[in-house]
Amino acid sequence: EVHLVESGGGLVQPGGSLKLSCAASGFTFSGSGMFWVRQASGKGLEWIARIGSKVDNYATAYAASMEGRFGISRDDSKNRAYLQMNSLKSEDTAVYYCTTWIQSNEYWGQGTLVTVSS
Amino acid sequence: SALTQPASVSGTPGQSITVSCTGTSSDVGGYNSVSWYQQHPGKAPKLIIYDVTNRPSGISNRFSGSKSGNTASLTISGLQAEDEADYYCNSYTPTSARVFGGGTKLTVL
Repeated sequence: EVHLVESGGGLVQPGGSLKLSCAASGFTFSGSGMFWVRQASGKGLEWIARIGSKVDNYATAYAASMEGRFGISRDDSKNRAYLQMNSLKSEDTAVYYCTTWIQSNEYWGQGTLVTVSS
Repeated sequence: SALTQPASVSGTPGQSITVSCTGTSSDVGGYNSVSWYQQHPGKAPKLIIYDVTNRPSGISNRFSGSKSGNTASLTISGLQAEDEADYYCNSYTPTSARVFGGGTKLTVL
């Protein structure tokens, strides 16, 4: 069974940094692209970034509004994907989800809450 | 920028409803890579349509997708109470990123 578990969320001050982690199990992690999506409370979904697998040369793509502040990475030896978030603003407060596509279906984690506040 | 969806739609049980998703020739109109998601309150989103018209395994055939020009559409037929949820479209873009629509709240009257 595919399982994605996000962690690393919490309270951070404006201007601070946070690194989220997504632990994957139940599928061949090294062969799958990984994605991050966020959702502010009561708001819509916002696509953040993707990282391809080794066969894709670990190609990355970012939403234009987040490129430069956010960085996506992965460690296939640990079956984990990461989202490094810098220069955080109050508007970055949201639940952050990691997702992956396997055999024409998309799987989501339960999300981790990031709160940016002083 | 975000794809354009109606803020809300409604229907009665058994009825069919359609949710539109309007983008540009650079996203929705440029690729056959539109997905639709269903999200119930407090839950993670669930993929119900991918690549414009395809349903993942286990998704009811009451859900169907289509596209014409820069507008994609999700149709739900035989509306049921459990279909009441938020629905989001998502499209591939030229930068290899993806973009979501603003979401549509479906109310089953």
